Amino acid sequence: QSALTQPRSVSGSPGQSVTISCTGTSSDVGGYNYVSWYQQHPGKAPKFMIYDVSKRRSGVPDRFSGSKSGNTASLTISGLQAEDEADYYCCSYAGSSTLLFGGGTKLTVL
Amino acid sequence: QVQLVQSGAEVKKPGASVKVSCKASGYTFTGYYMHWVRQAPGLGLEWMGWINPNSGGTSYAQKFQGRVTMTRDTSISTAYMELSGLRSDDTAVYYCAKDAYGGDSGDFDYWGQGTLVTVPS
Repeated sequence: QSALTQPRSVSGSPGQSVTISCTGTSSDVGGYNYVSWYQQHPGKAPKFMIYDVSKRRSGVPDRFSGSKSGNTASLTISGLQAEDEADYYCCSYAGSSTLLFGGGTKLTVL
Repeated sequence: QVQLVQSGAEVKKPGASVKVSCKASGYTFTGYYMHWVRQAPGLGLEWMGWINPNSGGTSYAQKFQGRVTMTRDTSISTAYMELSGLRSDDTAVYYCAKDAYGGDSGDFDYWGQGTLVTVPS
């Protein structure tokens, strides 16, 4: 199984919105509504942000939202803030009790 | 509060095995699957597998089948991940991560601090 495809990097200015895509296949992203998103700052463990495609974990700002269309899931961050600068990873259920991560996207806040 | 505390860094020779522990506290250990995820230096996250602490049942990523073994000791609320036949490209930080909703959903709400395993080439 290959990793889900994410853009290597995205950027935006404070206050703007950015969207990070996560493309898989009908056997993973497209086949299940079990996509989650993680934020990782350098040297830290990942932080759980979004689950079941679009549900925010308690305490996650509503600036973070998730969606899915076909085989592609997306994470949108609106009202960008400096502290949003981090790496972001998607994760999808891939059938047969297995999971798959995306390759990760580096978000730069300009 | 939920805590996952992992064992310390390891340096292993190629071909050797490594066993990483993850001690859980602050919740019912047997109620939630425990996953293992690794991250090679400068690279992304890679799911390795999970263990059901209640039954001992496991599921492993195809890539690691035959090389990884996940076990647990419920008496001390600790999960273990053993990787054998180590190669230089196994050099990574290995994380344990608690499943948020009990099963294999891929929703990891708490993570250990990570254990660096180094396999010199």
